[in-house]
Amino acid sequence: DIVMTQPPLSSPVTLGQPASISCRSSQSLVHSDGNTYLSWLQQRPGQPPRLLIYKISNRFSGVPDRFSGSGAGTDFTLEISRVEAEDVGVYYCMQATQFPRTFGQGTKVEIK
Amino acid sequence: EVQLVESGGGLVKPGGSLRLSCAASGFNFNIYSMNWVRQAPGKGLEWVSCITSSGSYIYYADSVKGRFTMSRDNAKNSLSLQMNSLRAEDTAVYYCAGGWGDLPMWGQGTLVTVSS
Repeated sequence: DIVMTQPPLSSPVTLGQPASISCRSSQSLVHSDGNTYLSWLQQRPGQPPRLLIYKISNRFSGVPDRFSGSGAGTDFTLEISRVEAEDVGVYYCMQATQFPRTFGQGTKVEIK
Repeated sequence: EVQLVESGGGLVKPGGSLRLSCAASGFNFNIYSMNWVRQAPGKGLEWVSCITSSGSYIYYADSVKGRFTMSRDNAKNSLSLQMNSLRAEDTAVYYCAGGWGDLPMWGQGTLVTVSS
């Protein structure tokens, strides 16, 4: 199985400042079709998860442009350019390159 | 509006069975692979199973293989998860989620509690 590793907690962020979350996979996420199926999901308190980013860097419909994704191979990053209060929650990376699908442990974003 | 509505959760004794359902609306259910993802209380997300759009292929996490059975009825836009031989560690909120390479659609979840 592919293991996805995220830090459990990000440093508390001041509103309006940037935040960055890392994710590392135990093996390359490049699929035989050439795509890299790494996505980022946000889970606000008491809510179901919500897709933010798919295939490393594609923003899902309705996701604010302050969210961006980058990376390649086994190392990936989610960046929030200017954190807002509504961004508080847990962020998960997920790989769908192979079965079983696997998630990172989640990184909690808190406001300072 | 895309909607996925799970039902069927509840309290069940260890060794018991439960059947979860997911009703889909607002999108072309027939062309989407569907998944079950669970979240134990206070814990992270765990993928459980996936079924392709036609139902021809079904994949399971090792933790549920042989105990859980996923199925779909495209005529009724519905998804099911039959859970047998339930264990305490199956206690979680179970989400129905649509997609293959990513999961753009999620339900609100249904809570399954396995306890004596």
